[in-house]
Amino acid sequence: KAGVTQTPRYLIKTRGQQVTLSCSPISGHRSVSWYQQTPGQGLQFLFEYFSETQRNKGNFPGRFSGRQFSNSRSEMNVSTLELGDSALYLCASSLMGTSGMDTQYFGPGTRLTVL
Amino acid sequence: QKEVEQDPGPLSVPEGAIVSLNCTYSNSAFQYFMWYRQYSRKGPELLMYTYSSGNKEDGRFTAQVDKSSKYISLFIRDSQPSDSATYLCAFSGGSYIPTFGRGTSLIVHP
Repeated sequence: KAGVTQTPRYLIKTRGQQVTLSCSPISGHRSVSWYQQTPGQGLQFLFEYFSETQRNKGNFPGRFSGRQFSNSRSEMNVSTLELGDSALYLCASSLMGTSGMDTQYFGPGTRLTVL
Repeated sequence: QKEVEQDPGPLSVPEGAIVSLNCTYSNSAFQYFMWYRQYSRKGPELLMYTYSSGNKEDGRFTAQVDKSSKYISLFIRDSQPSDSATYLCAFSGGSYIPTFGRGTSLIVHP
């Protein structure tokens, strides 16, 4: 069974640009969650999508947004990039979503560097 | 007071040692307690998941939760060099939004 895949794996952008990251969940999983991981703040929850609807949202500004498609694939968008957005962005998929975190599987992440 | 406290380490132990990793938390609403292992350049991997006080064992791993003290632990028996990784504790409550510790770096040397 294929795991969670994320593309691209590495990305370099400049301040003010926008970026879109993609996540393909494990087949059959309907929930996709996004996380930001930085040395300073650790791993932080961004948002969760379940059956194309945002179900939970963390404490991040509106520049961070996402969506989920009917095939459960998800994209995350960050507009007007800031230096502090440099991070590892992780996607996780599960059958039931954050309420069923015992079945959550993480992808390898996308390393975003903002110059 | 931070919501979750976790010593970043590094914690260095010889192969075969018993490892104890710990987290404290302040939010009484936390009902679910997790431990993740993260290897360098990889995403986290769920090791243990529990929602009650007491012990839960899975192979060489034992998770311990003490809700009265707001303290959780992960014990690794017969530690191996392959256990070298960063271990993150995580918590969630009724909203299911997870809160993570900063992670403890573990080094098991042969």
